[in-house]
Amino acid sequence: DGGITQSPKYLFRKEGQNVTLSCEQNLNHDAMYWYRQDPGQGLRLIYYSQIVNDFQKGDIAEGYSVSREKKESFPLTVTSAQKNPTAFYLCASSLGQGPQPQHFGDGTRLSIL
Amino acid sequence: SQELEQSPQSLIVQEGKNLTINCTSSKTLYGLYWYKQKYGEGLIFLMMLQKGGEEKSHEKITAKLDEKKQQSSLHITASQPSHAGIYLCGADGIRGSTLGRLYFGRGTQLTVWP
Repeated sequence: DGGITQSPKYLFRKEGQNVTLSCEQNLNHDAMYWYRQDPGQGLRLIYYSQIVNDFQKGDIAEGYSVSREKKESFPLTVTSAQKNPTAFYLCASSLGQGPQPQHFGDGTRLSIL
Repeated sequence: SQELEQSPQSLIVQEGKNLTINCTSSKTLYGLYWYKQKYGEGLIFLMMLQKGGEEKSHEKITAKLDEKKQQSSLHITASQPSHAGIYLCGADGIRGSTLGRLYFGRGTQLTVWP
């Protein structure tokens, strides 16, 4: 079945450590997105990519980095510069020829040790 | 500032009751999307509205976009416990943004008790 797979489901980060969240899709979608969700804050856009080898900062990109080397994959790295990384992270994809709905993965919950 | 205002923030209804959730923008919306989320899970796409006055239904859920394309409502008829969750509206075209980049409301937490 086509869909978006995020891994791991739960992740723990130590102080000063970088961690990478995986997002893979087999929907043949051009565009991919990373959101952060905090209680009472809704979803906030971290980074998005509308085509391979290109990506743009969203509203809260500081302390995060991404790459888009393959159409199917859009990993997110939470760097040690992100001082408050505890949150629920959601990856999404869409056809990219808007307007189109975005389809979401099941999320990764990141916590600090 | 929040681009999309959702109301109410939370809603508790008895099974069988009807309910409405609203999503309002100060700017004309290019596309309006409704999603449902169970706690700790991803968002499930429900419906997309584009045209002023457009209305779509799926099972017992109906979504409408007003003529000015600045307000949308989600109406659930005869609510069931399976309707419980967080409902979020998302929109593109706000602030002249790139199409495909959505802004989301903060969500409405729906509880349905038997």
